[in-house]
Amino acid sequence: SYVLTQPPSVSVAPGQTARITCGGNNIGSKSVNWYQQKPGQAPVLVVYDDSDRPSGIPERFSGSNSGYTATLTISRVEAGDEADYYCQVWDSSGDHPLVFGTGTKVTVL
Amino acid sequence: QVQLVESGGGVVQPGRSLRLSCAASGFTFRNYGMHWVRQAPGKGLEWVAVIWYDGSNKYYADSVKGRFTISRDNSKNTLYLQMNSLRAEDTAVYYCARDRAARGIDSWGQGTLVTVSS
Repeated sequence: SYVLTQPPSVSVAPGQTARITCGGNNIGSKSVNWYQQKPGQAPVLVVYDDSDRPSGIPERFSGSNSGYTATLTISRVEAGDEADYYCQVWDSSGDHPLVFGTGTKVTVL
Repeated sequence: QVQLVESGGGVVQPGRSLRLSCAASGFTFRNYGMHWVRQAPGKGLEWVAVIWYDGSNKYYADSVKGRFTISRDNSKNTLYLQMNSLRAEDTAVYYCARDRAARGIDSWGQGTLVTVSS
């Protein structure tokens, strides 16, 4: 089945830029979604279809996807951005259509 | 507004069964595919199962295939997960979630905790 690999952790100072990668075989040909999850809460969609934002999500959150890597970028990081982040794709090639990445813990220093 | 409310979680012995429910409101339930996603304590998100908007297709993660069954009742705006032959490794918070295809999973319930322990 399709595998999505993320770095376990990313640390960033307030006001700086955090970049979270999501690696997968030819992921550039798929549509990637990103979720933010804070402790004790359900996940929240922050980017869909590679680079679009749901209403209510700050412009500081952006996404890109090409080749074998998708990236979630958080600009001007704030303390409230500290959370776990997961990428996700639909994999129509098999019987396991939905795949989540391994998750990345973003720590704001 | 969209609301998804799970229920049915609890403590159950290994090998026993449990049925989770997810009551949907604030949208036209019959128009959307729905997922169950789980998260073991301290672990990442794991997709469990999906059902098409009309129930015509269902898919399962290998870890639950043959033991779990996803279903829905569009007349009651309710999603279900029948879990049989439960194992310790099924211990997790179970979320129901609404699918919007390329627009992602845009709504999640608050989750219900299932603990499998003797």
